[in-house]
Amino acid sequence: EADIYQTPRYLVIGTGKKITLECSQTMGHDKMYWYQQDPGMELHLIHYSYGVNSTEKGDLSSESTVSRIRTEHFPLTLESARPSHTSQYLCASSIPEQGELFFGEGSRLTVL
Amino acid sequence: AQRVTQPEKLLSVFKGAPVELKCNYSYSGSPELFWYVQYSRQRLQLLLRHISRESIKGFTADLNKGETSFHLKKPFAQEEDSAMYYCALGAVSYGKLTFGQGTILTVHP
Repeated sequence: EADIYQTPRYLVIGTGKKITLECSQTMGHDKMYWYQQDPGMELHLIHYSYGVNSTEKGDLSSESTVSRIRTEHFPLTLESARPSHTSQYLCASSIPEQGELFFGEGSRLTVL
Repeated sequence: AQRVTQPEKLLSVFKGAPVELKCNYSYSGSPELFWYVQYSRQRLQLLLRHISRESIKGFTADLNKGETSFHLKKPFAQEEDSAMYYCALGAVSYGKLTFGQGTILTVHP
């Protein structure tokens, strides 16, 4: 079934650890996005990609990095996590020219 | 810079009452606007988009360029409409969307 998957759903780690949030989609979409959302606040675009080997920074500055080596895979990495990185991270993909974003279930990160 | 404002964080109505979720935007070009919804324990999903001019689950939204608004309306709210609603703005060709803060709608029986 075509879908977009995020792992882990929940992650609690200590300061200074390296973490990677995984995002995979089986929808065949070229465009993929990472949004960050603090509780009760709006979603902020932090990274996006229009295809393989294409990555761009979003509207909100983030210390995280992303890669797009395969169409279906768009992982987000934090080299050294800090408490300020505690947030929910939402991955999404879209069809060109349609504007509809398909979201994953999100990864809730807590850095102690 | 583009911006989306949803002035109400919380909105409560009784079943059968009309409901209106407000959304105002600022954008220099021709805006494309969307409403996304997140039901309890479900992922965020598209509810409707202004270019389709459609009614989904009884909800409609009209783009008012003069007032820069895109309010979401339903004449008779149902309990299953209780959810978080986000207004979003962007350019379809780019796919990037700017989201508002969201409004939590609670429909009481």
